[in-house]
Amino acid sequence: QKEVEQNSGPLSVPEGAIASLNCTYSDRGSQSFFWYRQYSGKSPELIMSIYSNGDKEDGRFTAQLNKASQYVSLLIRDSQPSDSATYLCAGGYGGSQGNLIFGKGTKLSVKP
Amino acid sequence: DAGVTQSPTHLIKTRGQQVTLRCSPKSGHDTVSWYQQALGQGPQFIFQYYEEEERQRGNFPDRFSGHQFPNYSSELNVNALLLGDSALYLCASSRRPRQGPSWETQYFGPGTRLLVL
Repeated sequence: QKEVEQNSGPLSVPEGAIASLNCTYSDRGSQSFFWYRQYSGKSPELIMSIYSNGDKEDGRFTAQLNKASQYVSLLIRDSQPSDSATYLCAGGYGGSQGNLIFGKGTKLSVKP
Repeated sequence: DAGVTQSPTHLIKTRGQQVTLRCSPKSGHDTVSWYQQALGQGPQFIFQYYEEEERQRGNFPDRFSGHQFPNYSSELNVNALLLGDSALYLCASSRRPRQGPSWETQYFGPGTRLLVL
């Protein structure tokens, strides 16, 4: 059974702080991981994708992948109230064009 | 450049009825995947269409069926609706990888919110 686990939160951080979101996965078959942001009542929006071990930075966002530990994380620096949303971690399965297995999401609240 | 579009945005049905949801992929994309997202949960994969055929399927009963048209747009049909089918239905489009086993990012449409009474 392929599973992606996330702490549902809510995670609350003050404005300007670093928010750290974590995700673990059960099946080593996944080679691709994705972080989506979902505002209440809206559809998921891609923030980052990561395929290789290590860090990948894009603006205020840094994704980290550790395949040996089956662990993915997302750091948000200088958190803003507009970052308040649910963050979904997803693993890609099924070969080169498969499907996404999502965690339940972590709700982040950034307090002004 | 138009993104992924879905229709309708909201739908109310009663138990036992049938529903059809529609999706147009992002320009340049040829693969459509459908997901169901219940309240408070992450999206769950229903199935994926490419070249007008169902290529992969998640753990959903055959009450859920689909179709892809030559212009890459897609429909999701659900028969004999149950209360538990109430959810946000998401369509995601992507482009088939041109070379080797690489992943192409899936982009989501705005979703169709289905309420079954």
